[in-house]
Amino acid sequence: DAGVIQSPRHEVTEMGQEVTLRCKPISGHDYLFWYRQTMMRGLELLIYFNNNVPIDDSGMPEDRFSAKMPNASFSTLKIQPSEPRDSAVYFCASSLRFDQPQHFGDGTRLSIL
Amino acid sequence: GDSVTQMEGPVTLSEEAFLTINCTYTATGYPSLFWYVQYPGEGLQLLLKATKADDKGSNKGFEATYRKETTSFHLEKGSVQVSDSAVYFCALSDKGNKLVFGAGTILRVKS
Repeated sequence: DAGVIQSPRHEVTEMGQEVTLRCKPISGHDYLFWYRQTMMRGLELLIYFNNNVPIDDSGMPEDRFSAKMPNASFSTLKIQPSEPRDSAVYFCASSLRFDQPQHFGDGTRLSIL
Repeated sequence: GDSVTQMEGPVTLSEEAFLTINCTYTATGYPSLFWYVQYPGEGLQLLLKATKADDKGSNKGFEATYRKETTSFHLEKGSVQVSDSAVYFCALSDKGNKLVFGAGTILRVKS
């Protein structure tokens, strides 16, 4: 099993640019989650999907952030325009069902200059 | 709302020492409890879980018991190794599948 695959692993870009993070969940998993990890705030849930439908986006910090899941094998998290305070590690996770453990990708380390 | 409180780190131990990382929780219902581990440069991995009171989760020599009376889920290991150095997260899942994480505890094991 390939696990959750995230790309890119590292992204460095200038303030104001659009950033797109990508995630491929484990095949057959119905739930997909996006998290942000920072030293100050720890691990925060941004949004999660069930069967490609966004269920809870209450953790999305502001309108600059958007997430989509066009099909069962792909999701994106976009930040436009990006700001230095968006610098963090962004994780994607997936799970088979609501009561099953989540499997995390290795994360995208994002630096906004 | 639901919350998880972990002991602050870093915790620094010598190899073969006994490990305890405290975790307490607040939840309105009857949550499932988890310990996740994060090695440097990687995502979180499930270490163990317990779904009801008095359940004991165990994996790779680590154990934690779901204590409803004290709302705790402390992580223990009898003899740590250098390879156990990582960040450990306690978490709960109460409503649906949303995980609520603690702040994480850094463990450093010296040889």
